[in-house]
Amino acid sequence: AQKITQTQPGMFVQEKEAVTLDCTYDTSDQSYGLFWYKQPSSGEMIFLIYQGSYDEQNATEGRYSLNFQKARKSANLVISASQLGDSAMYFCAMREGAGNTPLVFGKGTRLSVIA
Amino acid sequence: DADVTQTPRNRITKTGKRIMLECSQTKGHDRMYWYRQDPGLGLRLIYYSFDVKDINKGEISDGYSVSRQAQAKFSLSLESAIPNQTALYFCATSDFRTGNYNEQFFGPGTRLTVL
Repeated sequence: AQKITQTQPGMFVQEKEAVTLDCTYDTSDQSYGLFWYKQPSSGEMIFLIYQGSYDEQNATEGRYSLNFQKARKSANLVISASQLGDSAMYFCAMREGAGNTPLVFGKGTRLSVIA
Repeated sequence: DADVTQTPRNRITKTGKRIMLECSQTKGHDRMYWYRQDPGLGLRLIYYSFDVKDINKGEISDGYSVSRQAQAKFSLSLESAIPNQTALYFCATSDFRTGNYNEQFFGPGTRLTVL
């Protein structure tokens, strides 16, 4: 079974609108971390936001917020006020267990922002 | 200067050739990782190293080997390259000692083409 599932291969959003990118995860560990990365067409991996399994508040970083629903095992990324520069691939990833273990990635969602 | 560097950034080679991809970091991190990205598959873990004497196989280690020459350097080798190893390769680092489990830093990537 896949540990990270991103069900939306591609998404379109109008500039200045908000968009939600879905991510569900599967783990039996109590301690884990969830990450979102952005990959623009240039190829680099840009860290956006992190949510720890014990964090009670949803993580926020500027226009990015993570809608963490632990019981549903979902960690959706919300981008508010979309900009043309937000057009990119977005990857959800999970670190299982405590400590710095390797990340497991989903297959990604390609977001296109339309003017 | 970039904290995590990869050389070369682009490489075209022929089937059967030995190839080495190098990764260096100035962040002082103890943990280093090699991932491979194929279109539509996200990033998958090849090898990881928790310190100079600790090397571990990842999900897709067959056909690859690694060397951790120093804490700051982690090389990935393809002993006999084959076309299905054509991919984008990422090196990443993290630091267990500081307890910053919410960070994994990626290099810019190496685009490898095997003809």
